Amino acid sequence: QKEVEQNSGPLSVPEGAIASLNCTYSDRGSQSFFWYRQYSGKSPELIMFIYSNGDKEDGRFTAQLNKASQYVSLLIRDSQPSDSATYLCAVRRSNDYKLSFGAGTTVTVRA
Amino acid sequence: NAGVTQTPKFRILKIGQSMTLQCTQDMNHNYMYWYRQDPGMGLKLIYYSVGAGITDKGEVPNGYNVSRSTTEDFPLRLELAAPSQTSVYFCASSPPDKTFGSGTRLTVV
Repeated sequence: QKEVEQNSGPLSVPEGAIASLNCTYSDRGSQSFFWYRQYSGKSPELIMFIYSNGDKEDGRFTAQLNKASQYVSLLIRDSQPSDSATYLCAVRRSNDYKLSFGAGTTVTVRA
Repeated sequence: NAGVTQTPKFRILKIGQSMTLQCTQDMNHNYMYWYRQDPGMGLKLIYYSVGAGITDKGEVPNGYNVSRSTTEDFPLRLELAAPSQTSVYFCASSPPDKTFGSGTRLTVV
């Protein structure tokens, strides 16, 4: 079992819709969860992080964490063509500064 | 404040050659990392450092070496390049979150 798994995609959504990205992790010791956006040919950039169970909202982005189910998700509301990118989920254990990344989900927002 | 700077941006190596990928950060971060990213894959940790003089292996260290003589610099050395090392390499630093360099696209032929 991979340490971090993401829905394989690609995910195509119409402009203005909600894009829903899912991520599961295998290590119950994971404490911090991150979502990165990576445009084609560019480096990853951090868009959200979440440490506690529940929802965390930042603008059009909402991260959701359920540690009991070992599941973290990212919702992108009112999707825009500029949201078209690959989204990487990453997890970190509490006493460790190393991140484990999923393979990413590619999102395409159709105008 | 330049963040994390990587050089070169592109490089073609022949099998068996060696090279050093440079990484410099100006944020006084203690933690620095080297990742590789293969097409359609996430990032795999090669080596990391928690401070000057301290380095440790990540998931895929074979064929690579690092050093950390200063807080700012964390070069990655490839010895005896192999086609399997064709990848995009990212350097990153933290905390509070990982700031990535722009990447080095390496092709070994």
